[in-house]
Amino acid sequence: GAVVSQHPSRVICKSGTSVKIECRSLDFQATTMFWYRQFPKKSLMLMATSNEGSKATYEQGVEKDKFLINHASLTLSTLTVTSAHPEDSSFYICSARHPGGAGEKLFFGSGTQLSVL
Amino acid sequence: DQQVKQNSPSLSVQEGRISILNCDYTNSMFDYFLWYKKYPAEGPTFLISISSIKDKNEDGRFTVFLNKSAKHLSLHIVPSQPGDSAVYFCAASKYGGSQGNLIFGKGTKLSVKP
Repeated sequence: GAVVSQHPSRVICKSGTSVKIECRSLDFQATTMFWYRQFPKKSLMLMATSNEGSKATYEQGVEKDKFLINHASLTLSTLTVTSAHPEDSSFYICSARHPGGAGEKLFFGSGTQLSVL
Repeated sequence: DQQVKQNSPSLSVQEGRISILNCDYTNSMFDYFLWYKKYPAEGPTFLISISSIKDKNEDGRFTVFLNKSAKHLSLHIVPSQPGDSAVYFCAASKYGGSQGNLIFGKGTKLSVKP
């Protein structure tokens, strides 16, 4: 099946620094990728929709200046958490939509556990 | 506001028996529902889906039932196997699943005991 690679799988950083998370579709081109966040004992929450070659669409309540999304190619989207704070500590996961697909054509990365000290 | 609810955080079942995972939703605009399975250290993987025009979809050992009037769906696994032990997420969409912006439940951790 299709593979989506996400890294790093775990990152620990100091408060005030920026962290970049990469999401790659390894064997298909994804014009659309999605970024989610999951706090402990909570649901996966969609943060933003990343569209290749255009600006990301952010969900209500998600700060676009804090969570920078770049989708510069058909196989790579990046999420940069800028000036990270402890409250940004969470599990971040991406998904990529296989061309022509409905929800079942979404393939997920393995996630990134971010801990901000 | 939790639009998709999985009220049971965990479920334990004996191998060979039926596993029933439940999911409730509040938004009547949802028209497509999916179940994902997640193993530790891996991303969720698609398991089975159902459109709101159906009330049942079956794929091997997995069957999803949809009760629109009750805004309830369930995933049945029969017979359950130890390899089915994972976290199961219910997800819903308003656009026939085509836009990928799914609303997820919190997940139910299934443990199938040999």
